[in-house]
Amino acid sequence: AQSVSQHNHHVILSEAASLELGCNYSYGGTVNLFWYVQYPGQHLQLLLKYFSGDPLVKGIKGFEAEFIKSKFSFNLRKPSVQWSDTAEYFCAVGGSSASKIIFGSGTRLSIRP
Amino acid sequence: EPEVTQTPSHQVTQMGQEVILRCVPISNHLYFYWYRQILGQKVEFLVSFYNNEISEKSEIFDDQFSVERPDGSNFTLKIRSTKLEDSAMYFCASSDPTSSSYEQYFGPGTRLTVT
Repeated sequence: AQSVSQHNHHVILSEAASLELGCNYSYGGTVNLFWYVQYPGQHLQLLLKYFSGDPLVKGIKGFEAEFIKSKFSFNLRKPSVQWSDTAEYFCAVGGSSASKIIFGSGTRLSIRP
Repeated sequence: EPEVTQTPSHQVTQMGQEVILRCVPISNHLYFYWYRQILGQKVEFLVSFYNNEISEKSEIFDDQFSVERPDGSNFTLKIRSTKLEDSAMYFCASSDPTSSSYEQYFGPGTRLTVT
C-alpha cells in the first residue's frame, strides 16, 4: 500500500537550532518525493522535491532533504531555524505520471524566539 | 507568478444542501485535482481530472461528489447533499503535463463548514 509516515507530530525548537524532520514512505514503482509547507493561515507551498539525480536536494529558505532509497526515507533538514519557519510541514510522495500525491500526517514546527 | 485561485474562501452550509466549490487552475495546466484536509488530519486526495474526464478517484469520492470543467478556466467540485463529516478544507491543484517535474500547484483552499 502507498503511504507516508512522519514520525514527529509536533516539534518545538529554539531559534538557531538545527532541524531534522523524519519521513518514510511506502510506494511501488518510480517515486517522486516532496516536502510542502503550510504557514499559519496560508496555503500549501512546495518547499523542495526529488525526482531523480542527486539524492540531496536543496529547496527554498535554506531547507534541504536527502533521499535514501535503502531506507525509504526523505528527511527534511535545516541547519539553523528561524522564528519565521513556524509552520506545518508535510512530506508527500507521487508517481511518475501526473498522478495523485499522497501526504503524510504533517509535523507542526514551533520556534521559540 | 501565476497561481491557482479558489472561491469562496469560506462556505457555510446546512446538512443536506448542495455546494459547489470553484477553482481557477493555472492557465496552461491540463491536470486538475481536488484534495481535502479535515481539521487536524492529513491532506487526502479526492480526484484527478484530465482531458474532460476523471483520471483517478479515491474511495472518499463517492456518488455525492462530482467534478466539472464547465468552461475553459473553471474547475468545480460539487457535493450534492452535504454531511457533517464533509466539513474540511478543500484544496484544488493543477499541473502542467509538459513539465518533467509533474509538480502540483495548490490553491489557498476553501473552508467548508457543514452545520
